[in-house]
Amino acid sequence: AQRVTQPEKLLSVFKGAPVELKCNYSYSGSPELFWYVQYSRQRLQLLLRHISRESIKGFTADLNKGETSFHLKKPFAQEEDSAMYYCALTDQAGTALIFGKGTTLSVSS
Amino acid sequence: ETGVTQSPTHLIKTRGQQVTLRCSSQSGHNTVSWYQQALGQGPQFIFQYYREEENGRGNFPPRFSGLQFPNYSSELNVNALELDDSALYLCASSSGTTQETQYFGPGTRLLVL
Repeated sequence: AQRVTQPEKLLSVFKGAPVELKCNYSYSGSPELFWYVQYSRQRLQLLLRHISRESIKGFTADLNKGETSFHLKKPFAQEEDSAMYYCALTDQAGTALIFGKGTTLSVSS
Repeated sequence: ETGVTQSPTHLIKTRGQQVTLRCSSQSGHNTVSWYQQALGQGPQFIFQYYREEENGRGNFPPRFSGLQFPNYSSELNVNALELDDSALYLCASSSGTTQETQYFGPGTRLLVL
């Protein structure tokens, strides 16, 4: 079964500290993976997707097929990074997004 | 470019009633997907509509149904509401069906009493 696991419900860091939001998945084949972010009082929006290999707002994510992980990283956290982060993949049909339960990132000064 | 809009923003229903939620897709998008997000959970896929036809369905009972109109806007209908249907309902639009980026609306919060 396809599944996304985000083991941390809450991650609290200080401004300037490195951040790693964990995401593990189960999937048969080559998944298309995403990170979505929801800032306070805003809608869910795409942060980055595996296929584009972009760095958005200083965040990067590397697909590790051996460990079936797609962890989100940023070397220096900013207070404006505080938000809910969801890891997701598309199902075998490429139709549905399957989301993890999300991790709340709290960055304090 | 107009983003995805949803109406209403909130509503309260009682068990057994029926509800219709509406979604207008982003300009240029022909695909609409619906998700249910219960408190503390990630969004769960309900179904997708592409050019007015259902194009995929998640693990939801038949009392969850939908429509897509020629202008690509969409409705989600839920019959015989249950307490567990209380959730945030999200609509997302995209320009295709497979692995295209989905753009989300603000959601409709449904409370079933």
